Amino acid sequence: DSGVTQTPKHLITATGQRVTLRCSPRSGDLSVYWYQQSLDQGLQFLIQYYNGEERAKGNILERFSAQQFPDLHSELNLSSLELGDSALYFCASSGLEGRNEQFFGPGTRLTVL
Amino acid sequence: LAKTTQPISMDSYEGQEVNITCSHNNIATNDYITWYQQFPSQGPRFIIQGYKTKVTNEVASLFIPADRKSSTLSLPRVSLSDTAVYYCLAEGNARQLTFGSGTQLTVLP
Repeated sequence: DSGVTQTPKHLITATGQRVTLRCSPRSGDLSVYWYQQSLDQGLQFLIQYYNGEERAKGNILERFSAQQFPDLHSELNLSSLELGDSALYFCASSGLEGRNEQFFGPGTRLTVL
Repeated sequence: LAKTTQPISMDSYEGQEVNITCSHNNIATNDYITWYQQFPSQGPRFIIQGYKTKVTNEVASLFIPADRKSSTLSLPRVSLSDTAVYYCLAEGNARQLTFGSGTQLTVLP
């Protein structure tokens, strides 16, 4: 158990819909990262937050957005969903800004029908 | 971005030492190299991190040559439970976290 929690575990929805994925970092960790992992593209970095502020942006689509709240939990919002958005979405946290190891959550499996 | 390249797959036998190499171009002076292990449907798990020369912990060693254009993860005496995908991560200039394509290691009995 990494100490990072993600909800929900599974999510099934339809194209065009909007969903919110939630992540709670390890106690004391200020950085939260979001990743997308699909079968054909491996692990893709989406975005990083540090203590409520956006710190780095990766291959995140404009239809996707994220935020980190004062209690340090984070949410990833995915809108206008397409079939290709079906993937595992991982959240990770770390204590410092990227120099220390990241602790990954169990992931949310999103299926878009 | 620091792009990384790894072999797609490797096979080994139980008890052997396995070396997985990652190539990383455009790596910046203050960037670190980190390796993660991932089992199916689980989040990646940290193995080891280094900047240069050699780092060793209880599960692996990491070798980074002077030019830092590559790194090698060394797993001593692998077992069946080491069958997993291994990712090399380089922190690029723009602080974007680029995972390699991953190496599927299969340990055979």
